[in-house]
Amino acid sequence: AQRVTQPEKLLSVFKGAPVELKCNYSYSGSPELFWYVQYSRQRLQLLLRHISRESIKGFTADLNKGETSFHLKKPFAQEEDSAMYYCALRIGGGSNYKLTFGKGTLLTVNP
Amino acid sequence: ETGVTQSPTHLIKTRGQQVTLRCSSQSGHNTVSWYQQALGQGPQFIFQYYREEENGRGNFPPRFSGLQFPNYSSELNVNALELDDSALYLCASSRDSNTGELFFGEGSRLTVL
Repeated sequence: AQRVTQPEKLLSVFKGAPVELKCNYSYSGSPELFWYVQYSRQRLQLLLRHISRESIKGFTADLNKGETSFHLKKPFAQEEDSAMYYCALRIGGGSNYKLTFGKGTLLTVNP
Repeated sequence: ETGVTQSPTHLIKTRGQQVTLRCSSQSGHNTVSWYQQALGQGPQFIFQYYREEENGRGNFPPRFSGLQFPNYSSELNVNALELDDSALYLCASSRDSNTGELFFGEGSRLTVL
């Protein structure tokens, strides 16, 4: 069965420090992974997807199939990065798919 | 462009009652999915509707049902409410030629007493 694991419920760093939010997945098919973010008093929104291989707000994430991981990284954290981060695995395609989410990691960036 | 809107934002029910939650999808989106988010958990997939047909369902009992209307808005119905149904219910919409990006509403928080 497919599963997404985010081992850290809470992560606290200081401004300017590197940050890494961990995500591991279990899936027998070809994985498609996403990071969603929820800032305080805002709705859940897409941060980045592995297919795009893009950097959004300084964040990057590389899919490592050997380690079944999709960790989110940023070299220099900012206070505005404080939010709840969810890793998600897409199952299915076209118009018939679902996302399996991890339990989330609450990132706090201290001044 | 109007985003996903959900109603009501909060509601309280008692065990055994029935509830209907509503969702208006983002303009131009024809796929709606519903997720349940219990406290301290990530969103969990309930089901998805595409062009008024259910085309995917998660591990939820039949007392969770839904509808999608011709204007692509949607309803989630839950019968015979149980205490464990207390959660935030999220609606998300997307296009059929999708990138996997879901656009979420702010959710309906259901409390079952």
